[in-house]
Amino acid sequence: DAKTTQPPSMDCAEGRAANLPCNHSTISGNEYVYWYRQIHSQGPQYIIHGLKNNETNEMASLIITEDRKSSTLILPHATLRDTAVYYCPWGGANNLFFGTGTRLTVIP
Amino acid sequence: EPEVTQTPSHQVTQMGQEVILRCVPISNHLYFYWYRQILGQKVEFLVSFYNNEISEKSEIFDDQFSVERPDGSNFTLKIRSTKLEDSAMYFCASRDQRTGRTYGYTFGSGTRLTVV
Repeated sequence: DAKTTQPPSMDCAEGRAANLPCNHSTISGNEYVYWYRQIHSQGPQYIIHGLKNNETNEMASLIITEDRKSSTLILPHATLRDTAVYYCPWGGANNLFFGTGTRLTVIP
Repeated sequence: EPEVTQTPSHQVTQMGQEVILRCVPISNHLYFYWYRQILGQKVEFLVSFYNNEISEKSEIFDDQFSVERPDGSNFTLKIRSTKLEDSAMYFCASRDQRTGRTYGYTFGSGTRLTVV
């Protein structure tokens, strides 16, 4: 059974913020929250990760709830090139397991 | 920006043949992985490799599969006797890990294996 759950699809207007949720209610205390995306059949692309604190980089922001049971990936100004499948995989030090992710479609 | 390089990009093989998929991880990375993705399905973990041995493997990674780091730069996945259901995109990934910091995985662009 998947240890993270995500909505199967979302749409976002170009230029608007895309907020992608992930539930990870069974995450353990030392497991990081990761976000990746996959464009077409390319390899998954790392976006961001965090443990407890919110994180921001040049691609996105990551908001983790205080109880760590869920997180939200924020793409502040979505572009057409952000259309992809977004994953919040789970795992430990030796692996990452991917679920089915959220297919984000950015609409012109 | 450093990349994980996979060759070939596409390989067609006959059922029952052996194939070797090649990967060059990022040079200072210590952890290496293989994943596969059957068309239209999710990315599936196969195996992780650290310090010249397998750290963890999934149920998919049976006796037909093996991995090797034959030199300081290459990381290979061998499938001994391919089956039709081995047709998939195979992704290699590597990760840096230093004391006190955890880094994300960097994936290669994949090898599309077609078994006919």
